[in-house]
Amino acid sequence: EAGVAQSPRYKIIEKRQSVAFWCNPISGHATLYWYQQILGQGPKLLIQFQNNGVVDDSQLPKDRFSAERLKGVDSTLKIQPAKLEDSAVYLCASSFFGGSYEQYFGPGTRLTVT
Amino acid sequence: AQSVSQHNHHVILSEAASLELGCNYSYGGTVNLFWYVQYPGQHLQLLLKYFSGDPLVKGIKGFEAEFIKSKFSFNLRKPSVQWSDTAEYFCAAYNTNAGKSTFGDGTTLTVKP
Repeated sequence: EAGVAQSPRYKIIEKRQSVAFWCNPISGHATLYWYQQILGQGPKLLIQFQNNGVVDDSQLPKDRFSAERLKGVDSTLKIQPAKLEDSAVYLCASSFFGGSYEQYFGPGTRLTVT
Repeated sequence: AQSVSQHNHHVILSEAASLELGCNYSYGGTVNLFWYVQYPGQHLQLLLKYFSGDPLVKGIKGFEAEFIKSKFSFNLRKPSVQWSDTAEYFCAAYNTNAGKSTFGDGTTLTVKP
């Protein structure tokens, strides 16, 4: 089966610019997660969708980050305006709803803000 | 707040040595527990999981982990590591009541040939 797809793989922007990341989960996975992984740390959950509804966005900096999952399939995460501290790898993962909730990860997008 | 702690940030072993990586979680309710691994240049992938049944679970490549509820622990073990086990290992907990996922900060394992 196809895995979780993410694009772009790398992005370099200047601070105060905007950027968007795209994720296409595994077919049939109702739950979609966006994580931020700063170098030397574990993935930090930014937002979790169940179909096209938000389950948890408690750690999403809502003044600059936004995410949507229209039609309950693919998703976009946007940062506007970007700050230096947003430099990180942004991971998308998906899982079936129910069972163990094991997650399948995409390759990530490495964002560098200069 | 729910948290996951991994005791070792960086572990260096020689081939054939035994491995144990510690993981503790803070949530007292029902949790599903996972170890994920990220080999150099690859995606995060599942190594093993516990969500019910036998607390001793076996994963890929000879890894196993034991869920000890009284200690809130889910330590990862392997009796004899190989150079190819060099990777970063993440422990994660899924709070089934809140539907929330939390990861530890990871342990980098370096195996010397």
